[in-house]
This record gives sequence, C-alpha cells and structure tokens, in this order.
Amino acid sequence: EADIYQTPRYLVIGTGKKITLECSQTMGHDKMYWYQQDPGMELHLIHYSYGVNSTEKGDLSSESTVSRIRTEHFPLTLESARPSHTSQYLCASSVGGYNSPLHFGNGTRLTVT
Amino acid sequence: AQKITQTQPGMFVQEKEAVTLDCTYDTSDQSYGLFWYKQPSSGEMIFLIYQGSYDEQNATEGRYSLNFQKARKSANLVISASQLGDSAMYFCAMRELTNYNQGGKLIFGQGTELSVKP
Repeated sequence: EADIYQTPRYLVIGTGKKITLECSQTMGHDKMYWYQQDPGMELHLIHYSYGVNSTEKGDLSSESTVSRIRTEHFPLTLESARPSHTSQYLCASSVGGYNSPLHFGNGTRLTVT
Repeated sequence: AQKITQTQPGMFVQEKEAVTLDCTYDTSDQSYGLFWYKQPSSGEMIFLIYQGSYDEQNATEGRYSLNFQKARKSANLVISASQLGDSAMYFCAMRELTNYNQGGKLIFGQGTELSVKP
C-alpha cells in the first residue's frame, strides 16, 4: 500500500476564499504530482516536482500554485477559489524509475459555491 | 491529438466471465511504458499493471493481463473471472521517454466504466 495522504477529503467553500490542499507522503519519493479530474473524466496534470525546491507547471493551465519545501510535503494553494475550480484533485508520488507507477492519495473533492 | 484513447465509455460483464478493456496510444518515442489503473467510486487510483515497450512478454498480475500489440499501438487490459468488486473506472496511461526526462508524468485516457453483473 502506498503511504500518501491528502487532506481534506471533501471541502465545500465559498467563492473568493483562499484554500490549501495538503499532500504528504512517507515513502521518501522525490517526484510528486498534482492531477485534476472532473467526475468520470480523465486526469490532467497541473503541477509536478522533481524534488525539494523544484516545481513545474503541468499540461493543464491552473490558477493554483504549489510549493516543495520538504521532500514529504507538496501542498497546493488556490488564492481565490471560484466555481470553475470545483473538481477532484489527486496527489501522487513516484520513486522515479522509468517503470515506476505513480502512487496516488485518496483525493480531495473540492466544491466552490 | 489524443495520446491515449479508450473507446469504450462503459462496459458490462457477467460475474466470473472475462472482459477486455481497450486502449490505443500514440507516440513517436521508441521507449515508453503503459500503465493501467482502477478507480472505484470512492475516488482513489489503484495501480494494476505495467508494460514496457521493450518487454517481450505480455505483463500479468493475478487476474489482470495486458494484451500488448506494439505494431498496432494497443495495450488492452484483460480481467479474468470478473468479480463484483471489479466494478469501477479503468484508466490506461502512458509514460513516454520524453516525459521521463521531464518529471516522469503519466498521460491518461478518458477511462472505461466497468459494471460487473451478478
């Protein structure tokens, strides 16, 4: 079982609020990722990190930002939430080998009202 | 252009029967990897099976096997002896060598929703 944790599991918040989605892993993986997924749809990469102090934007443009100050922690922040941000956000990590799968957390289901 | 295509939005299978979920991919890389994930209604993504582009044999993991046809660029997932707990969304994903050098991201298909009937 992968040890990667996301909190909160569900979040309902009003427009304009600042939110941070937490993601932590205990496996010492260097590579971490954030994917966005609308219900029943494919996953889209929004951010990734090679390691501490490294962050990169993914394929899908996102107004969110990320930080990687510690290996185990990769939080995602939305400065001002909007209804268009309503989605599921999945955090993942990988040991980094070419054949290494991504290990996912349980996801955060965000609803912005 | 879609890199990963799953043409079956929904599939039904009778319990204890086998089912094949289709996946075709598009890449110009010679080295790539193909992954299948299961996503139950609870939302987590569960890794099932991996196939490398240079692997000679089709991958197998328990009841899961991958029917890899490189020339046709297809990597279909076969689930044998379906169980009620297999009802879920299934995603095919690819890692290209180019992506490995840029963080190792996976590109996902649209998914297939599998329903197992008792």
